[in-house]
Amino acid sequence: AQSVTQLGSHVSVSEGALVLLRCNYSSSVPPYLFWYVQYPNQGLQLLLKYTTGATLVKGINGFEAEFKKSETSFHLTKPSAHMSDAAEYFCAVRPSGYALNFGKGTSLLVTP
Amino acid sequence: EPEVTQTPSHQVTQMGQEVILRCVPISNHLYFYWYRQILGQKVEFLVSFYNNEISEKSEIFDDQFSVERPDGSNFTLKIRSTKLEDSAMYFCASSDGRAGTSEQYFGPGTRLTVT
Repeated sequence: AQSVTQLGSHVSVSEGALVLLRCNYSSSVPPYLFWYVQYPNQGLQLLLKYTTGATLVKGINGFEAEFKKSETSFHLTKPSAHMSDAAEYFCAVRPSGYALNFGKGTSLLVTP
Repeated sequence: EPEVTQTPSHQVTQMGQEVILRCVPISNHLYFYWYRQILGQKVEFLVSFYNNEISEKSEIFDDQFSVERPDGSNFTLKIRSTKLEDSAMYFCASSDGRAGTSEQYFGPGTRLTVT
């Protein structure tokens, strides 16, 4: 079964610093990969997704992720963190069916 | 912007009681989903629903669970006899297409506490 592993349940960065949230997947076939963000008391919101084509995917709020097949990774980055980026981030893979398989999530803390 | 809504935001129930969690998907969406997240654990898929029938379900979705679209707007998850381990955040989602690329839009969740 396809699954994802998010390294680091908590990541802390200073405002203005690079954000790097790690996600590795296991899949025997090319996967569909997603990053979702959850702000407090809100639902999951799609940040970006990789399906086919360009391996560098740009999403909302300045985030981007690069699909690296050789490393089975789909790490999420943002050049400069903002206080409003503090949230829970989930990497997910979607096999051929309907279900999204989520990682455990990474809580991003941004300090002044 | 259209959004998925869920009610109630928090439900407390006693073990053995039936609960119904309600969701209003985005109006032109055809595919509906339920996920849950037990505190400290990952978000887990429960079931997907299309054309008035279950299209896929996980092993979590046993006979205690059922889903229904009682009218043109609501989508419900029923747990017949709640257990302590059903305590979790339950998320409803909807999408306009089945393909792997279709975005699933999530609601804010219902926190279910079973005592």
